[in-house]
Amino acid sequence: AQSVTQPDIHITVSEGASLELRCNYSYGATPYLFWYVQSPGQGLQLLLKYFSGDTLVQGIKGFEAEFKRSQSSFNLRKPSVHWSDAAEYFCAVRGATNKLIFGTGTLLAVQP
Amino acid sequence: KAGVTQTPRYLIKTRGQQVTLSCSPISGHRSVSWYQQTPGQGLQFLFEYFSETQRNKGNFPGRFSGRQFSNSRSEMNVSTLELGDSALYLCASSSVQGKETQYFGPGTRLLVL
Repeated sequence: AQSVTQPDIHITVSEGASLELRCNYSYGATPYLFWYVQSPGQGLQLLLKYFSGDTLVQGIKGFEAEFKRSQSSFNLRKPSVHWSDAAEYFCAVRGATNKLIFGTGTLLAVQP
Repeated sequence: KAGVTQTPRYLIKTRGQQVTLSCSPISGHRSVSWYQQTPGQGLQFLFEYFSETQRNKGNFPGRFSGRQFSNSRSEMNVSTLELGDSALYLCASSSVQGKETQYFGPGTRLLVL
């Protein structure tokens, strides 16, 4: 069965520090992977996606993610976090059917 | 291009009532999917419509239904509301059915009293 695991429920980083949010997926074939961000009371905004090709993908707002097939991971990174990055981050996989399977999310807090 | 729009943004209903939520996809997008987001269950897939036909359905009771119109706009209906139906309902559109990117609307916040 397809699934996504985000091991960290809550992460706090200092402004200017680097960030890595973990995501592990379970899917038999080559997955289509996504990271979305959600601010309080808002919908989901697409940060980046991986379909194929280069395993390091760049997204909006300075985010990047690396697809590692051997580790079944798709971790999200940002070299320097801004206070406006505080939000909830969701990793998702899209498999044989059209639906997205989401992880439980990681809530990011940014300390001044 | 305008994004996905959802109406209404907020809704309060009482148990036993029914509710209809509306979603207008990005212009040119023909696939619309619906998701329910709750603190306990997270984000769960409800159903997907493409070319006015339901293509996929998640594990929700028959009280949850939907439809899509010829202009790709979609509605979802929940009948006989229960307290547990309180959630953020998100609509997403993509250009075609298949492994394309889904773009989400702001959601409709439903509170059932």
